[in-house]
Amino acid sequence: QVQLQESGPGLVKPSETLSLTCTVSGGSVSSVSYYWSWIRQPPGKGLEWLGYISYSGTTNYNPSLKSRVTISVDTSKNHFSLKLRSVTAADTAVYHCATLYCSRTSCYWASWGQGTLVTVSS
Amino acid sequence: QSALTQPASVSGSPGQSITISCTGTSSDVGGYNYVSWYQHHPGKAPKLMIYDVANRPSGISNRFSGSKSGNTASLTISGLQAEDEADYYCSSYTSSSTMIFGGGTKLTVL
Repeated sequence: QVQLQESGPGLVKPSETLSLTCTVSGGSVSSVSYYWSWIRQPPGKGLEWLGYISYSGTTNYNPSLKSRVTISVDTSKNHFSLKLRSVTAADTAVYHCATLYCSRTSCYWASWGQGTLVTVSS
Repeated sequence: QSALTQPASVSGSPGQSITISCTGTSSDVGGYNYVSWYQHHPGKAPKLMIYDVANRPSGISNRFSGSKSGNTASLTISGLQAEDEADYYCSSYTSSSTMIFGGGTKLTVL
C-alpha cells in the first residue's frame, strides 16, 4: 500500500509561489499506470483536482489553473512536487497529494496523503 | 471544467438507506465507467469506497454500492450506521484526460 506525506510551508505571502513536496513510501514514482497528483480543498468547499504527472513524466493540469501550476517528479528521491505561482487568498486550502491509478480498464484515486493546510496571507 | 453536481446534504436514520447522486456530462460520467466515490472525514485522508462505478475495494462493507445511468452516477448506503456520517465525493475521468470531482455531499445520520 502506497503511503504519501505532504510537506512544505504552511504560510505563503500573496503573489509568491506555493511549493509543496509529497514523499512516497511503499511504492515507486516510476510505477506504470500511476499518476502522481495534487488535490486541494479550500475552507468550506469541495475537492479540486490541480493536476498530475505520469510515471513517464507526462503532465496534465486543471484548465482553470494551468497557467500557474507545475508538477514535477524526482525519481532519485521518490517524491513529487507542486508549484503554484502568483498565489492569492483564494489559494488558501488543504492540499492533498494523491495517487491516481489509471489503466485501460480502471481509474481511481488509490492513495491519499492526509493533507497540509496552506494559508495565503501577508 | 465545472464540478460534477451532487446534493449538498442528505440525511437518514440508522438502518435506513440513502442514495447520493452525481451528475455530469457525456464527456465525463456518461462517457466512461471510471466513476469513483470517496468518504471524507475532515482532517483525514479521503477513503475509496467505490471504484469504476460499482466495484468495492477489499475491506469496504457491502452496505455501500454504486451504479450509473446515463450522465448520473449514484452511491447507495444501506443499513445506515452512525459511523457513516461524513462527506462523500464522486470523481470521474474526463475526455480531456483530466479528473473532476463532485461538489461533495454531507451525510448526516439522524
